[in-house]
Amino acid sequence: ELKVEQNPLFLSMQEGKNYTIYCNYSTTSDRLYWYRQDPGKSLESLFVLLSNGAVKQEGRLMASLDTKARLSTLHITAAVHDLSATYFCAVAPYNNNDMRFGAGTRLTVKP
Amino acid sequence: DAMVIQNPRYQVTQFGKPVTLSCSQTLNHNVMYWYQQKSSQAPKLLFHYYDKDFNNEADTPDNFQSRRPNTSFCFLDIRSPGLGDAAMYLCATSDSRGWGYTFGSGTRLTVV
Repeated sequence: ELKVEQNPLFLSMQEGKNYTIYCNYSTTSDRLYWYRQDPGKSLESLFVLLSNGAVKQEGRLMASLDTKARLSTLHITAAVHDLSATYFCAVAPYNNNDMRFGAGTRLTVKP
Repeated sequence: DAMVIQNPRYQVTQFGKPVTLSCSQTLNHNVMYWYQQKSSQAPKLLFHYYDKDFNNEADTPDNFQSRRPNTSFCFLDIRSPGLGDAAMYLCATSDSRGWGYTFGSGTRLTVV
């Protein structure tokens, strides 16, 4: 069964600092997703990574995928308060659309 | 805009009283999913429809059923809601390649 592990689960950062969230998964996959969720809201798609070595950037967030290591990272550069939210990675197994989520990282950015 | 719409946004039901949540889509995606998300937890896949083929997760309780009368609509039926079923229910769609999933706004279910 596919397992998706995220760490850290809780992250408190100061504004202006950099940090990385890690996502490991247990089975072969060709699709990895990052989502943002604000309290009481649904999921907002941030990145879709479809191949080994894929790197995508949007503003202060950059995501990468290493399919051989079964690892994705979400790097935060010069954090700002507006980035405070819960971030989930999710993985769909190869040839299967059943997307499964990691436990989520609750990010708090403090002034 | 093409989208996934869930109704209602908030649903309060009595313990043991059947309740139905609905999801519609204008994306013409052939796969539709239902996820359950309890407070401070990750979304958990309950089941999905690939076209008309129903796929149930092994650990989804029998209390949860689903119907997909056509491509656009999918329903989640909870036959006898318990207090432990209080959660946000998220509907999502994807095409057959699964290169992107679109989520609805969710229905927050309260059981009293």
